Amino acid sequence: AQTVTQSQPEMSVQEAETVTLSCTYDTSESDYYLFWYKQPPSRQMILVIRQEAYKQQNATENRFSVNFQKAAKSFSLKISDSQLGDAAMYFCAYRSFRGGSEKLVFGKGTKLTVNP
Amino acid sequence: NAGVTQTPKFQVLKTGQSMTLQCAQDMNHEYMSWYRQDPGMGLRLIHYSVGAGITDQGEVPNGYNVSRSTTEDFPLRLLSAAPSQTSVYFCASSYSRKDTGTQGYTFGSGTRLTVV
Repeated sequence: AQTVTQSQPEMSVQEAETVTLSCTYDTSESDYYLFWYKQPPSRQMILVIRQEAYKQQNATENRFSVNFQKAAKSFSLKISDSQLGDAAMYFCAYRSFRGGSEKLVFGKGTKLTVNP
Repeated sequence: NAGVTQTPKFQVLKTGQSMTLQCAQDMNHEYMSWYRQDPGMGLRLIHYSVGAGITDQGEVPNGYNVSRSTTEDFPLRLLSAAPSQTSVYFCASSYSRKDTGTQGYTFGSGTRLTVV
């Protein structure tokens, strides 16, 4: 079974600075998808960024980018120019598309605090 | 607005009571699932469905029942509520094919359930 590990329960960053959240995963599959979700205090789960494992190029969405290292099974999220609105729980997630295994597996999350 | 609708948003139950959490989506997603979120545990999969008439167990299925009679609806039933089922519950839906599944999951706004 796949597992996702987020080793940083909490992180903090100064406004306008850059922060990197770590995520590692364990799988024997070669084809899969990785996601970062944001959960602000409103409780809503918001998709931040996604990465297909077959793509070597790292995904980027505005101030959010990932460092995807397939061999190392690492998928870190970099937030540039941090804003107060970035404060939230961040979850890394893995999805397989092998038949019958389409479910999403989550890490335990990292709580990000943004200091003014 | 298109999306996943969960009801109720809050619920207090007494031990032993039963209830149904409702989930409906209007995006014609094949895949629907229920997660529970507990502090420090991330999101854990309870049950999921890959299409109408097909359901399967996730990581923590005990005490819960599901059915999928239509593509749109995926209710979660608590058979006899216990304090250990106090949690926040999320319903989520997604396309289930590789070419569309990378859009990620769409989550409902969650139900905060307290069992006393």
